[in-house]
Amino acid sequence: NAGVTQTPKFRVLKTGQSMTLLCAQDMNHEYMYWYRQDPGMGLRLIHYSVGEGTTAKGEVPDGYNVSRLKKQNFLLGLESAAPSQTSVYFCASSYELDLPLGTDTQYFGPGTRLTVL
Amino acid sequence: GIQVEQSPPDLILQEGANSTLRCNFSDSVNNLQWFHQNPWGQLINLFYIPSGTKQNGRLSATTVATERYSLLYISSSQTTDSGVYFCAVGHGSSNTGKLIFGQGTTLQVKP
Repeated sequence: NAGVTQTPKFRVLKTGQSMTLLCAQDMNHEYMYWYRQDPGMGLRLIHYSVGEGTTAKGEVPDGYNVSRLKKQNFLLGLESAAPSQTSVYFCASSYELDLPLGTDTQYFGPGTRLTVL
Repeated sequence: GIQVEQSPPDLILQEGANSTLRCNFSDSVNNLQWFHQNPWGQLINLFYIPSGTKQNGRLSATTVATERYSLLYISSSQTTDSGVYFCAVGHGSSNTGKLIFGQGTTLQVKP
């Protein structure tokens, strides 16, 4: 049981380049989330998904797109990277349908450190 | 939107000491979680505690939802407790699991 995994672990982009971050979970969770963490700050939610085929905006969605074509995968895309998107990106998942409501513990991946030059 | 404030922002302890971290929130919540981010950046869930009290070894947490605060207690601290502790809350009528994070408390435990 690998939990939540993220690919890649590190990436350096030039301004204007595009890339996709992959998050995978093997815990059969319904909900998945993408956060960014900037130095000295807490995490901010970018986008989230409450099930396969669904996505929704979080606190800071501008400049990012997401897709959830399979239940176990949640992709985060940057179409035209900007230096302001330099950050550490975390994926998380939660909520198994067959557990009682209120069991929303979030499990996090190891993070992807992205630098945009 | 809901505001989440953690105190103190920084804390330095000698190994073996006890500490209390506080999380205040500005609105009612349906979800509250405490996380530890270790020095290597990994985020570990410590407690899911929208109300009541829980204990796990040397750590315990209490949330008083009616008064809009939560406390994380660390007893007999160890150097491995160092890192950043985050409180995160969810609120609203629909259960989407979305969390709003506080700024964190940075803990350093000295040997």
